[in-house]
Amino acid sequence: DAMVIQNPRYQVTQFGKPVTLSCSQTLNHNVMYWYQQKSSQAPKLLFHYYDKDFNNEADTPDNFQSRRPNTSFCFLDIRSPGLGDAAMYLCATSSGGAGGLETQYFGPGTRLLVL
Amino acid sequence: GQNIDQPTEMTATEGAIVQINCTYQTSGFNGLFWYQQHAGEAPTFLSYNVLDGLEEKGRFSSFLSRSKGYSYLLLKELQMKDSASYLCAVRELGGFKTIFGAGTRLFVKA
Repeated sequence: DAMVIQNPRYQVTQFGKPVTLSCSQTLNHNVMYWYQQKSSQAPKLLFHYYDKDFNNEADTPDNFQSRRPNTSFCFLDIRSPGLGDAAMYLCATSSGGAGGLETQYFGPGTRLLVL
Repeated sequence: GQNIDQPTEMTATEGAIVQINCTYQTSGFNGLFWYQQHAGEAPTFLSYNVLDGLEEKGRFSSFLSRSKGYSYLLLKELQMKDSASYLCAVRELGGFKTIFGAGTRLFVKA
């Protein structure tokens, strides 16, 4: 089945130790998104790619970076995780076609714990 | 500014009907989505409205009034498995950015 895959499902890191979360998709979608979601809060968009074009949200801290080496893969790098970065990180895709609904398909998420 | 408001929690009885409201203020509008999210899981798509009116999809219907910045999700014949958070989300005009509400946590009781 075509899908969005995130690894790992759970990630424990130490305060200040860089961590990378990964996302892959078999939907061949043009757009890939990274969201941060804390308990009982709305998913907060960090950035998205349309193909190779990177779009950063104005309020996304510099501590968060992203890479998209090809259509299928996208990575979220947290350079120096703080305790406040503990959250669920959701990767999503949408087709990016002209006039499309842009329904987003989410991966299962990576829950990040910072010790 | 950008703002999406939904009730925090609702409780309903199995077999009943429940309506979850959403009001929004965004800088542009290019469609409104409803997603379902079970605890600890990813959101899954339920419905989409871009024009005013009611969209029906099985037990779920969604309504939109663009002039009022208002939508609701209607769930009929509630089942225990419908206990989840329901997220209202608005796609902004001119790009791919979607703003999510914090979600309404629905508890279905027997």
